[in-house]
Amino acid sequence: GAGVSQSPSNKVTEKGKDVELRCDPISGHTALYWYRQSLGQGLEFLIYFQGNSAPDKSGLPSDRFSAERTGGSVSTLTIQRTQQEDSAVYLCASSLIGDRSPLHFGNGTRLTVT
Amino acid sequence: AQSVAQPEDQVNVAEGNPLTVKCTYSVSGNPYLFWYVQYPNRGLQFLLKYITGDNLVKGSYGFEAEFNKSQTSFHLKKPSALVSDSALYFCAVRDINPPERNTPLVFGKGTRLSVIA
Repeated sequence: GAGVSQSPSNKVTEKGKDVELRCDPISGHTALYWYRQSLGQGLEFLIYFQGNSAPDKSGLPSDRFSAERTGGSVSTLTIQRTQQEDSAVYLCASSLIGDRSPLHFGNGTRLTVT
Repeated sequence: AQSVAQPEDQVNVAEGNPLTVKCTYSVSGNPYLFWYVQYPNRGLQFLLKYITGDNLVKGSYGFEAEFNKSQTSFHLKKPSALVSDSALYFCAVRDINPPERNTPLVFGKGTRLSVIA
């Protein structure tokens, strides 16, 4: 079946512009995560949606970052007034409900801020 | 808050030799532990997990990991390495603190494994 789909796969933007990254999770997966992967920094947790609960936003690095999940499915990560340090690969993952379920990752969006 | 440490940025091993990729964790309650692998130009893939029960868990591609509560470790192992095992490996932990609540999965910084023919 279809896996986690992310778009665009690559995004180049100028410093100061806003960007939107999209994630389509696996159908039926109620948990959705956003992570950021930078060279030498590993996977940095950003935000976590679990069913109808309030999202865990504890990993968002600044108020320029926000995310929403509409209808319990598609999610959009928005970065306002991008900075060069925002350049990274942004990964989305989804899983079945529950703490024991492994995450299924998309291929990521590579963001470059010039 | 939970955290994961992967003390080695890089591990080199000869093909056919056993390999170990180290992981230690810190949680306030009990841990759920996971290993993921990222092959070049591909997304992260789930390898194995420890939830409860037997401390030695077996996963995909001949990998296994041993949960050691006293040492708070969950090292990844394979008896005989293959060149195709060369990849970036991530350890992850979720803190299960009663009453059970949903906490995010936190990853380590990753260890790059190179298997040399």
